[in-house]
Amino acid sequence: AQSVTQLDSQVPVFEEAPVELRCNYSSSVSVYLFWYVQYPNQGLQLLLKYLSGSTLVKGINGFEAEFNKSQTSFHLRKPSVHISDTAEYFCAVSAESGTYKYIFGTGTRLKVLA
Amino acid sequence: GAVVSQHPSRVICKSGTSVKIECRSLDFQATTMFWYRQFPKQSLMLMATSNEGSKATYEQGVEKDKFLINHASLTLSTLTVTSAHPEDSSFYICSARDPNYYNEQFFGPGTRLTVL
Repeated sequence: AQSVTQLDSQVPVFEEAPVELRCNYSSSVSVYLFWYVQYPNQGLQLLLKYLSGSTLVKGINGFEAEFNKSQTSFHLRKPSVHISDTAEYFCAVSAESGTYKYIFGTGTRLKVLA
Repeated sequence: GAVVSQHPSRVICKSGTSVKIECRSLDFQATTMFWYRQFPKQSLMLMATSNEGSKATYEQGVEKDKFLINHASLTLSTLTVTSAHPEDSSFYICSARDPNYYNEQFFGPGTRLTVL
């Protein structure tokens, strides 16, 4: 079985500052990894995903993440945040085979301050 | 890209009534769909896995008779909340698995259910 840990429930950061949202996972098999953003009263929007290939993944809105197999991490980064990045961010993991279920982390609320 | 729709986007009903939510994969055939529930300020919790032409597989703690799932075709799954009560009020999100693309799930926009 897989599990995901997002240690930071809230991350406040000033506008134009860099940010890193942490995600660690546990799995005995190879995995796919995802980051989603959710704005208030809306559904999930895929930011980026790691399926195979390069471990540095670039996504939408200037976000990127690096898959680190040895540290079982998939941290999300952005070099300069905007007020509009204020939202809830979810990391998710799925096994490459089997039930294909997604396991979601508990989420990190990013609050960008002016 | 793969698109998944949900209908309705928002529904308000009286306690004791049943509500049906539809989930459709618009541009691919999904042999498997998933239903999630999200309480305010919480993460998504998987409720059940819906396989076309067979019975759904429910996660532990999810009442099968309360949340009826039907996956009658490769592009449509429905979730019926039977005899809804205020505690069933939540945000329900479906996803569809694309077997031809890393089995990635594509998410619908969600349905906000409010039971009065």
